[in-house]
Amino acid sequence: DAGVTQSPTHLIKTRGQQVTLRCSPKSGHDTVSWYQQALGQGPQFIFQYYEEEERQRGNFPDRFSGHQFPNYSSELNVNALLLGDSALYLCASSWGDYTEAFFGQGTRLTVV
Amino acid sequence: AQTVTQSQPEMSVQEAETVTLSCTYDTSESDYYLFWYKQPPSRQMILVIRQEAYKQQNATENRFSVNFQKAAKSFSLKISDSQLGDAAMYFCAYHQQTSGSRLTFGEGTQLTVNP
Repeated sequence: DAGVTQSPTHLIKTRGQQVTLRCSPKSGHDTVSWYQQALGQGPQFIFQYYEEEERQRGNFPDRFSGHQFPNYSSELNVNALLLGDSALYLCASSWGDYTEAFFGQGTRLTVV
Repeated sequence: AQTVTQSQPEMSVQEAETVTLSCTYDTSESDYYLFWYKQPPSRQMILVIRQEAYKQQNATENRFSVNFQKAAKSFSLKISDSQLGDAAMYFCAYHQQTSGSRLTFGEGTQLTVNP
């Protein structure tokens, strides 16, 4: 079992650009959540996808959007990047309404 | 809204000794789960231990145990016989049973293990 995989592991973008991050959930999991972790802080919930729909959303602007595909993989899109969007972006997968959440290794986004 | 507070930004322990990391939370719900996650420099969040709020018995996983005080909304992690590999950032997290798998994290405690 490959667990949760995220790509890319690192990337650098310029202010104003757009970025897409990808996540493949653990086998058998149907729910994907995204978190933003700024340096030295705890992860903050962005949103959660289940059955290809956004089920919950945290306190993030509309510049942050996502998608879930029929195979349960997910994308996180961020438009009009700001310097403050620089962070580690974590994807977590789970099954059903509640099970243990498994995390990927994250994508380190640097906005310059 | 639920909040999770970790009041110890940094802790250190000697190898083979015991250390306790503190966590408090605020919620009006009765059904929820609490977790301790470990995040080493590799960045991947690893589940250490979990506690269901309806269970009075404290969870234990090998060298890791919790002290869950529901009335006080306190959830501390005790690491016994600390090992060098325990060095990491530790996060306390709250999950409300009715909210899917959304987790609310504390700010973390950086644990150093001294040889």
